[in-house]
Amino acid sequence: QQQVKQSPQSLIVQKGGISIINCAYENTAFDYFPWYQQFPGKGPALLIAIRPDVSEKKEGRFTISFNKSAKQFSLHIMDSQPGDSATYFCAASKTGGFKTIFGAGTRLFVKA
Amino acid sequence: DAGVTQSPTHLIKTRGQQVTLRCSPKSGHDTVSWYQQALGQGPQFIFQYYEEEERQRGNFPDRFSGHQFPNYSSELNVNALLLGDSALYLCASSYPDRRETQYFGPGTRLLVL
Repeated sequence: QQQVKQSPQSLIVQKGGISIINCAYENTAFDYFPWYQQFPGKGPALLIAIRPDVSEKKEGRFTISFNKSAKQFSLHIMDSQPGDSATYFCAASKTGGFKTIFGAGTRLFVKA
Repeated sequence: DAGVTQSPTHLIKTRGQQVTLRCSPKSGHDTVSWYQQALGQGPQFIFQYYEEEERQRGNFPDRFSGHQFPNYSSELNVNALLLGDSALYLCASSYPDRRETQYFGPGTRLLVL
């Protein structure tokens, strides 16, 4: 019940295209869903996060879509650039700092 | 404003040894969480500290222990190292009123031979 399932494992997108990464969770007690971006040899960097009271949140080229009834959320990267090539992790947590549960990650490669 | 810092950056140990990793949180953050990230996997929660006490713990054995100091910095100790402890160890810090929003340091790469 603590799992966060992430797909796909890897993704290749043409420059200018849309990258879409999906996640599903089980524990309905989670109320905070962040996405992290990690480059090789670096720590994860917080990209964008959403709470269940909204269905969509957009920051620049990054958008989270959230479906509470399906217990699913996704990250859309619009106008994908080669500099976006990295590993992306979805995660789930609870307000107050319950341990954050991470997905297995998606390796994104954006072709120039 | 310095972000989360960790030391050392890399470490090589042999089986059975003990290791101590260090973390300094971002300014204004009082909470420190530790994660283990094996190659090709997502970070796994080890434990979380605030107010100098361990508040939550993941599924890690007692060989993993920690400490938080009055200045909010933290240490992760691992005893009796196993080959499987080889991983990137990440520290994340957060504000007291937003503990779920975590900012990660660059990590310490531990190799156990």
